[in-house]
Amino acid sequence: GQNIDQPTEMTATEGAIVQINCTYQTSGFNGLFWYQQHAGEAPTFLSYNVLDGLEEKGRFSSFLSRSKGYSYLLLKELQMKDSASYLCAVRDQRSNAGNMLTFGGGTRLMVKP
Amino acid sequence: DVKVTQSSRYLVKRTGEKVFLECVQDMDHENMFWYRQDPGLGLRLIYFSYDVKMKEKGDIPEGYSVSREKKERFSLILESASTNQTSMYLCASIPSGRPPREQFFGPGTRLTVL
Repeated sequence: GQNIDQPTEMTATEGAIVQINCTYQTSGFNGLFWYQQHAGEAPTFLSYNVLDGLEEKGRFSSFLSRSKGYSYLLLKELQMKDSASYLCAVRDQRSNAGNMLTFGGGTRLMVKP
Repeated sequence: DVKVTQSSRYLVKRTGEKVFLECVQDMDHENMFWYRQDPGLGLRLIYFSYDVKMKEKGDIPEGYSVSREKKERFSLILESASTNQTSMYLCASIPSGRPPREQFFGPGTRLTVL
């Protein structure tokens, strides 16, 4: 089966750096996504990793280690608007469609002044 | 701009009622998905469709059915709503083909079943 774990909540200070971890156990791994979701809104895409290593996109970076079943999202120079839930999702091959995602429970990040 | 819309943002229904949640996308995507989102449980896949009239069960299909008569529209049906179906329902779509693309989500429908 699929199992994705991430911390429930984290708190960080404005201007700081925070790392949100995600571990997974899935069959037929085919990529890992990070989404941001503000309260009451739809998730929005942040990053995608399919090969090992770091993907950088502005203040946000995402890392993947397939052998360890591990990813993290790194947020630099935190801003108050970064307060949101961050969802880790793994793309697997549970069907012929090949586009199914399994989501973790999400990490609620609170940025304080 | 990519657009996924859902028929209602908030819905209140009574136990036993038949409920229709509608999702429309204007991007000509082949794949469409219905999730529910509950605190601590994240997003869980109910059903998805990879083409018109084609559907597959997700992780929690019990108590739900779906309809995909046109490419742009994917409907989620609760045949007889129950209180444990009170949740946030999110629709998403994605095109087929490679490289894999992220799913685009609608704004969500918060359903309360009394």
